[in-house]
Amino acid sequence: GQNIDQPTEMTATEGAIVQINCTYQTSGFNGLFWYQQHAGEAPTFLSYNVLDGLEEKGRFSSFLSRSKGYSYLLLKELQMKDSASYLCAVRVGSNYQLIWGAGTKLIIKP
Amino acid sequence: SAVISQKPSRDICQRGTSLTIQCQVDSQVTMMFWYRQQPGQSLTLIATANQGSEATYESGFVIDKFPISRPNLTFSTLTVSNMSPEDSSIYLCSVEEGTGASYIQYFGAGTRLSVL
Repeated sequence: GQNIDQPTEMTATEGAIVQINCTYQTSGFNGLFWYQQHAGEAPTFLSYNVLDGLEEKGRFSSFLSRSKGYSYLLLKELQMKDSASYLCAVRVGSNYQLIWGAGTKLIIKP
Repeated sequence: SAVISQKPSRDICQRGTSLTIQCQVDSQVTMMFWYRQQPGQSLTLIATANQGSEATYESGFVIDKFPISRPNLTFSTLTVSNMSPEDSSIYLCSVEEGTGASYIQYFGAGTRLSVL
């Protein structure tokens, strides 16, 4: 079967760093995506990893280890506006289909 | 990325009625996707809509309940038919853009549906 696991909820402090983990067990792998979704809004694309290693994009970085079926999203210098759900998704083949995690709700406290 | 306009943004409907959701893209795209996201849940793909062919439905979703139209490369509609309270959800359309292996899905703002 296809499975993606993320923590349900995390809390962090404004200005700090937080790491959101995602583990996956899928029948194939052709890329991992992170999306941000504010309450009541659509998901917005954050990052894409298909090779092992770290991809940095401003305050956000995403890491992938294919051998471990593991990824994390690292958010630095947290701001209150980073309070949102963060969704991990895996493309399992050469087609369009994405397998979605349930999302991690991130709460930022002053 | 493509600009995706979805409407209505929200609606409250009576049991047994139907609602058609529209998705307009500002560029031509081959594939459009319709998702459902129930409260506190992840995204579930309903169907994939290609222009000029029948939509492809995922397990658990049928055409009679969720008819889809795709008349051209920039527009699609999803109808939620004979609604029940269990259909209360956010419905999202998305399109895929990119080249080679780097195809990214982008989403419309969603339609928040409440069925009474």
